[in-house]
Amino acid sequence: GEDVEQSLFLSVREGDSSVINCTYTDSSSTYLYWYKQEPGAGLQLLTYIFSNMDMKQDQRLTVLLNKKDKHLSLRIADTQTGDSAIYFCAESTPNDYKLSFGAGTTVTVRA
Amino acid sequence: DGGITQSPKYLFRKEGQNVTLSCEQNLNHDAMYWYRQDPGQGLRLIYYSQIVNDFQKGDIAEGYSVSREKKESFPLTVTSAQKNPTAFYLCASSPTGTGIYEQYFGPGTRLTVT
Repeated sequence: GEDVEQSLFLSVREGDSSVINCTYTDSSSTYLYWYKQEPGAGLQLLTYIFSNMDMKQDQRLTVLLNKKDKHLSLRIADTQTGDSAIYFCAESTPNDYKLSFGAGTTVTVRA
Repeated sequence: DGGITQSPKYLFRKEGQNVTLSCEQNLNHDAMYWYRQDPGQGLRLIYYSQIVNDFQKGDIAEGYSVSREKKESFPLTVTSAQKNPTAFYLCASSPTGTGIYEQYFGPGTRLTVT
């Protein structure tokens, strides 16, 4: 079965890098996703990585995948106040359209 | 401009009344989903549909019903049997033929039942 876990809170200073961590348990995962949710809004897909990749970079976002430890991380470079939000990681498994979501990490950016 | 719309943004109902939440997408996606989000918690899957005229229960389907008569629309009815209906409801859709099942979300409907 799928079980995705995240730490609940992260506080970071503006301009620093943020690193949000996630662990998953299903070894047959195909894609792993990061979503962002701002207050009172829906989820916005930030990026995803295929399970045979180690890293993916997209502007200020870097995703690292450690398949051995089933560990996924999202690094946000030069964190801004607009990055304050809840970040969810999610996984999908082969031939299943459902996603399993973690509980979300609330990121607070302080001046 | 493609996307998912949910209406209304805020909904208030009295206990004992059924209420229907709207979800429409123009992304030409086959699959659609309904989630419930409670404060400080992640997303819990209520129902999902992979194709028109077919849908499956998710993890917390009790007290909810859905229909999928059109590809673009997936309305959710919160019935009076749902014990704690006050929550934030999110609708999503995804493609099914690409191997990447990324889900795209609507803006959500906040339902308050008193």
